[in-house]
Amino acid sequence: QKEVEQNSGPLSVPEGAIASLNCTYSDRGSQSFFWYRQYSGKSPELIMFIYSNGDKEDGRFTAQLNKASQYVSLLIRDSQPSDSATYLCAVTVGGATNKLIFGTGTLLAVQP
Amino acid sequence: GAVVSQHPSRVICKSGTSVKIECRSLDFQATTMFWYRQFPKKSLMLMATSNEGSKATYEQGVEKDKFLINHASLTLSTLTVTSAHPEDSSFYICSAMTSGYTDTQYFGPGTRLTVL
Repeated sequence: QKEVEQNSGPLSVPEGAIASLNCTYSDRGSQSFFWYRQYSGKSPELIMFIYSNGDKEDGRFTAQLNKASQYVSLLIRDSQPSDSATYLCAVTVGGATNKLIFGTGTLLAVQP
Repeated sequence: GAVVSQHPSRVICKSGTSVKIECRSLDFQATTMFWYRQFPKKSLMLMATSNEGSKATYEQGVEKDKFLINHASLTLSTLTVTSAHPEDSSFYICSAMTSGYTDTQYFGPGTRLTVL
């Protein structure tokens, strides 16, 4: 069974700190990796996607991918209270599909 | 860009009735749309994948006769929950993807269905 695992949290960080969110996946055929943010009662909002090993930066967000270790992470610099949400890791199913498998999400709480 | 809408945002219905949810891509053509459901404090579970002009592909365990999906155009897909029961109460979310080099899915705002 293809799986995506995340620590459910809550991950509590003080305002201004770096939040580090981690995700592991089981399908070695996965090619695309996404981070979504979901506020309570709302639908997911795309933050970043990453396809290649290494780091990808976008503003305060950095996604890191290590396919050999089947590991993807998201760093949020200068965390703000408005970043408090559930962060969902999603990976594509290996093979010729565009389906995504989602992790259960990590709840991030940024303390003012 | 990449805006997806859903209608209605919230619906309450009686057990046994059918409910139709619309998903529209507003500023791009969506060759593929996906339907998910999410229970409280759970992750998104894919229900089905729909491609414009063809039959939807349902995930294992999802009843295709209960959850009717139609993708009649490149900007519209509908999900009809037939003969709804209280256990169908959930948050239904669609996403849309355009063809091209990226396989990014953009999500609609979701529809909260409550079946009494």
